[in-house]
Amino acid sequence: KQEVTQIPAALSVPEGENLVLNCSFTDSAIYNLQWFRQDPGKGLTSLLLIQSSQREQTSGRLNASLDKSSGRSTLYIAASQPGDSATYLCAVRIPNAGKSTFGDGTTLTVKP
Amino acid sequence: DAGVIQSPRHEVTEMGQEVTLRCKPISGHNSLFWYRQTMMRGLELLIYFNNNVPIDDSGMPEDRFSAKMPNASFSTLKIQPSEPRDSAVYFCASSLGFGGSGNTIYFGEGSWLTVV
Repeated sequence: KQEVTQIPAALSVPEGENLVLNCSFTDSAIYNLQWFRQDPGKGLTSLLLIQSSQREQTSGRLNASLDKSSGRSTLYIAASQPGDSATYLCAVRIPNAGKSTFGDGTTLTVKP
Repeated sequence: DAGVIQSPRHEVTEMGQEVTLRCKPISGHNSLFWYRQTMMRGLELLIYFNNNVPIDDSGMPEDRFSAKMPNASFSTLKIQPSEPRDSAVYFCASSLGFGGSGNTIYFGEGSWLTVV
C-alpha cells in the first residue's frame, strides 16, 4: 500500500527566504506526483505535476523535483512571499488504478 | 473552463437527515473522484469513477454512503442517514484519462457539511 508522508507538518519563514517542502512515498512504482496548494476554506489548486519519466518541473518561483528511486519529491519555493502562505499537499498517482494517495500536507506561513 | 462545480457549498443538517452532494466535472474529463477532508484524517478518497463506472469504492466508510454517476457531466454523493461524525469537507475532483502519467487532477471548491 502506497503511503505518502510530508515533513514538517508546519513551517514558518520570513519573507524573501528560499524554502524546500518535502514529500516521501513508499512505493516507487508511480505514474506521477502532483503538488497542490490549499488556502483556508478553499479547494486544492494544482501547482505542478511531474510525470514518472521526469525529474523536475518548474513554474515561476516553484520548482518540483522527483527521485523515484529514493521515494522523494521536493517543492522549492524561491523568494517566498506572504501570499505563499497556505497548505501544500503532494499526491502520488499509482499505476493501473487511476487514484492518488495524498500526504497530510505542510502548512507554510511566510511572515512579512 | 468553469472548472469542477460542486453544490451546495455549505450545508447544515440535523442528524438522521439525508444529504445529497452534487458535482459537475470538467467537460471532457472521464475520471471523477470524491474525497473527504477532516482535520483528524486528512484527505481521504471515498470513491472514483472512470467513464461513469465506479472503479474503487473501498474508501466509502459505511453503507450509509452511496455515490452515482448517471452521465459524464454529473455525479452525486449521498449520505443517508447522516451522523455528526460525517461533518467534513467533501471534494469532487476530475481528470482527463485514467491512470495516465500526465493527467492533472482538478478539484472543486468543496461542500462543507455540518451534521448537528
